[in-house]
Amino acid sequence: AQTVTQSQPEMSVQEAETVTLSCTYDTSESDYYLFWYKQPPSRQMILVIRQEAYKQQNATENRFSVNFQKAAKSFSLKISDSQLGDAAMYFCAYRIQGAQKLVFGQGTRLTINP
Amino acid sequence: DGGITQSPKYLFRKEGQNVTLSCEQNLNHDAMYWYRQDPGQGLRLIYYSQIVNDFQKGDIAEGYSVSREKKESFPLTVTSAQKNPTAFYLCASSRRQDYTEAFFGQGTRLTVV
Repeated sequence: AQTVTQSQPEMSVQEAETVTLSCTYDTSESDYYLFWYKQPPSRQMILVIRQEAYKQQNATENRFSVNFQKAAKSFSLKISDSQLGDAAMYFCAYRIQGAQKLVFGQGTRLTINP
Repeated sequence: DGGITQSPKYLFRKEGQNVTLSCEQNLNHDAMYWYRQDPGQGLRLIYYSQIVNDFQKGDIAEGYSVSREKKESFPLTVTSAQKNPTAFYLCASSRRQDYTEAFFGQGTRLTVV
């Protein structure tokens, strides 16, 4: 079974600093896709960034970047220059190629301290 | 504007009653999903559908049922067999391509009274 584990239930960071959220996953598949979603207090899920497993280059979207370690099955999210609007629950998610099933981790609640 | 609409936003149900949560999308997406979110927890997959008239059980399908008669619609029925139905329910949809993300509705908060 595919599983996604986020080992940090809560994280906090000072505004303007950098924070890294961890995610590991368990799969025997070689082709898959990884996502980070953000859920602010409004509870609307928003895609932050995605990574294709066949790509060695780490994905980057403005202040958000990932550290994808395929052999270690690790997919961490780095948020640079943290802003108050980044405060939210962050979920790591996984989908194997050819399947529509999208599996989520337990989430990390990120607090930004002004 | 394209998107996913869930209704109602809040729903109250008496014990022993079935209740149906609505999910409609106008994004022309083939795949649709239902997730359950409990306080402080992640999203657990209830059911998903890849095409019309087809759906698969997720990790926690017991006590739930779905239908997919139209591409745009994927209603979820919470039956009386679901022992602990109070939760936040999220519907999502995506294109069939694997690299594409899922788009989510704004959720339905179901409370059993």
